[in-house]
Amino acid sequence: SSDLTQDPAVSVALGQTVRITCQGDSLRRYYGSWYQKKPGQAPLLVIYGKNNRPSGIPDRFSGSSSGDTTSLTITGAQAEDEADYYCSTRDSNGYVFGTGTKVTVL
Amino acid sequence: QVQLQESGPGLVKTSETLSLTCSVSGASIGTTYWSWIRQPPGKELEWIGSIYDTGSTRYNPSLKSRVSISVDTSKNQFSLKLKSVTAADTAIYYCARDLNEIFDHWGQGTLVTVSS
Repeated sequence: SSDLTQDPAVSVALGQTVRITCQGDSLRRYYGSWYQKKPGQAPLLVIYGKNNRPSGIPDRFSGSSSGDTTSLTITGAQAEDEADYYCSTRDSNGYVFGTGTKVTVL
Repeated sequence: QVQLQESGPGLVKTSETLSLTCSVSGASIGTTYWSWIRQPPGKELEWIGSIYDTGSTRYNPSLKSRVSISVDTSKNQFSLKLKSVTAADTAIYYCARDLNEIFDHWGQGTLVTVSS
């Protein structure tokens, strides 16, 4: 079981905004990162650090953090954003992933 | 362009050892960490362990007694061995570049099924 907790599922209307959260004690010490996972594909890093996007990731993806919670916001969700999203961070032993959130774009 | 590719048997018998190799192109395996991560069917991602080019390793405590990760800098590859496997080890196994807190490049993943 994971030490990072996420809501199992959220839905968002096309073009609207959705926020996904991830909670865990390790996030008080380390930044979280976010990965998009589509069926049959490798996970894709979408947000890392304070609020950084790798090259090629649309600017509708943004991140924030406060206390033991890190968040991923998709502003103006597109059909192609439908996927599972996992947070991740360091812990005392190495790394841990969140329980995952399934995002459905309606 | 950094690319990673996992290779190894897709079927392993219960109690035997799972062995996978990750071939890296577009980057030297030196200067950073490299990791193995897996995802059992219908479950979340799980970090298995990481290795630096010097051979320094760190492992998930829940798997530490069964896991070994090694690196071959001459071939630009790193490898995973997981011994005494059970059905619970059935998963898609990914290799990834570990930039010390983020995994920025991943292999496509390889499904390993454990069965008697």
